[in-house]
Amino acid sequence: SQQGEEDPQALSIQEGENATMNCSYKTSINNLQWYRQNSGRGLVHLILIRSNEREKHSGRLRVTLDTSKKSSSLLITASRAADTASYFCATDGRKLIFGQGTELSVKP
Amino acid sequence: DTGVSQNPRHKITKRGQNVTFRCDPISEHNRLYWYRQTLGQGPEFLTYFQNEAQLEKSRLLSDRFSAERPKGSFSTLEIQRTEQGDSAMYLCASSLGNFVSTDTQYFGPGTRLTVL
Repeated sequence: SQQGEEDPQALSIQEGENATMNCSYKTSINNLQWYRQNSGRGLVHLILIRSNEREKHSGRLRVTLDTSKKSSSLLITASRAADTASYFCATDGRKLIFGQGTELSVKP
Repeated sequence: DTGVSQNPRHKITKRGQNVTFRCDPISEHNRLYWYRQTLGQGPEFLTYFQNEAQLEKSRLLSDRFSAERPKGSFSTLEIQRTEQGDSAMYLCASSLGNFVSTDTQYFGPGTRLTVL
């Protein structure tokens, strides 16, 4: 069973716009991680936020975590065509439990 | 390249055949994980190792699947008597395995299996 659920399932924006993806999960966590996957390839780790953190930044990425609502969001600012990929949230522990992902398309 | 590597990258086999995949983790990473991903879905956990010990297996891992990490370094995943439903991307990941709150998994490029 999958713990995380990303929303929306698909998002299409123009280059330069911001993209926001949301993730909801079911059980308590130690951390939440976001990954990116380009078509048919492996996953690239983007950012990890611990359960005692509320917000974290990494370059053009901003992640928030609300443990009371069991939700997280990933914001990509000033998007580029190269950001086109599927984005997954995954909750912690010895095994990652992934959602189905948000498919982001950034049009030049 | 010091990332996680997987071989082969692609495997096409006929139903009923056995296949074996290999994963080489990042050196000094104690934990190694196997996931399976089908089209349009997120990866699903199969099993993981702490050094050479296999500590957890998913119910997805039927009797036809076996994984080993004999010396605590590389790992192999074997599927016996393959079925068409085994067609998927098989992903390997590794992590340091120190603190749960910050243990990041790094993924390999995957092995895409097609069972005809």
